[in-house]
Amino acid sequence: SYELTQPSSVSVSPGQTARITCSGDVLAKKYTRWFQQKPGQAPVLIIYKDSERPSGIPDRFSGSSSGTTVTLTISGAQVDDEADYYCYSATDNSPVFGGGTKLTVL
Amino acid sequence: QVQLVQSGGEVKKPGASVKVSCKASGNIFNNYGVTWVRQAPGKGLEWMGWTTAHNGNTNYAQKFQDRVTMTTDTSTTTAYMELRSLRYDDTAVYFCRLVSETFDIWGQGTRVTVSS
Repeated sequence: SYELTQPSSVSVSPGQTARITCSGDVLAKKYTRWFQQKPGQAPVLIIYKDSERPSGIPDRFSGSSSGTTVTLTISGAQVDDEADYYCYSATDNSPVFGGGTKLTVL
Repeated sequence: QVQLVQSGGEVKKPGASVKVSCKASGNIFNNYGVTWVRQAPGKGLEWMGWTTAHNGNTNYAQKFQDRVTMTTDTSTTTAYMELRSLRYDDTAVYFCRLVSETFDIWGQGTRVTVSS
């Protein structure tokens, strides 16, 4: 099995840019997804294939990849973006989630 | 947009089994696999496994292989996840999930509490 490593927490002020990283050897070979999860809710897909955004996701959310690290960037973070964020990647048989990052916007 | 609606919360004793259902609003199981993810209180997301309807293939995470069975019923567009020999640390919210290259749809979650 493999692991994806995320910082446990990131804090920004409203309007600033938040960056959340996810690291793991598998990321050099496999696409990453990012999920946003608010308390008491199911996760929501916000980025797939490292940098693609599903319809309905604001364009302040973007993703990038470099080697074994992928980054979720939230440009002009809003209070409503405060949530847990999880990266996810999958080999054919062993998908795994990162440990999650709590984003605080205040 | 497809929706996944899961069964209600359950309270089980240690050693018991639980079966969680996940009904899709459309008949799409034949085209995609259904995965199951759980989240213990205050913890992160944990992938449990997936199953495909068209051929019944399954792939379970190693830690659950001996205790879990995932199935789908295409006639009722419902997926099921049964977890046996429940332990206290199986207390979690269990999510079903429908995944393709471009979408990733989740059920609302089912809370399973293991308590004596």
